Amino acid sequence: GAVVSQHPSWVICKSGTSVKIECRSLDFQATTMFWYRQFPKQSLMLMATSNEGSKATYEQGVEKDKFLINHASLTLSTLTVTSAHPEDSSFYICSAPPSGSYEQYFGPGTRLTVT
Amino acid sequence: DQQVKQNSPSLSVQEGRISILNCDYTNSMFDYFLWYKKYPAEGPTFLISISSIKDKNEDGRFTVFLNKSAKHLSLHIVPSQPGDSAVYFCAATRAQGAQKLVFGQGTRLTINP
Repeated sequence: GAVVSQHPSWVICKSGTSVKIECRSLDFQATTMFWYRQFPKQSLMLMATSNEGSKATYEQGVEKDKFLINHASLTLSTLTVTSAHPEDSSFYICSAPPSGSYEQYFGPGTRLTVT
Repeated sequence: DQQVKQNSPSLSVQEGRISILNCDYTNSMFDYFLWYKKYPAEGPTFLISISSIKDKNEDGRFTVFLNKSAKHLSLHIVPSQPGDSAVYFCAATRAQGAQKLVFGQGTRLTINP
């Protein structure tokens, strides 16, 4: 199957700092990527849709100025959590569907802890 | 509004037996359904999918059944193996559109030896 990577796999940062998470499709191109977050023992909640060459589309209730998304190329999307606070601590996961496919392939996730 | 529901938070099955995980949806616009397996602190792994034009799709030990009139789908795993112990999520989407997946809450499957 298609492979999606994320970096870093975990990060600890201080409150008020910004953190960048990268999502890469390794063996396919993705014009669209998706960012999710998952709280403990809960489902995956879609945060935003990352579109190559255009602005991201955010789900209702997600602050676009806090969660900056850049889809720089057909294989890379980045999520920057700006001015992070402890309540932003979560597991962030990206996914991407290969062109023409409805199946989305997920990255391994990034555990963010804000102290 | 929970559009995709997995009403059983957990399921325990003996090794070698059949595991049946259930999922219900409310949005009749959904026409493509997927099952994912997830281990803690990892991303979900795609297992199997089904289009609304079918009522069954099989891949090895995994079979997904879709009952459109009941807005219900199920994942059958047979025979169940210890490595199948994980959280299983069903997801739904519209084939035409933004490809957004809507996930259920997940069911934790435990396979007992």
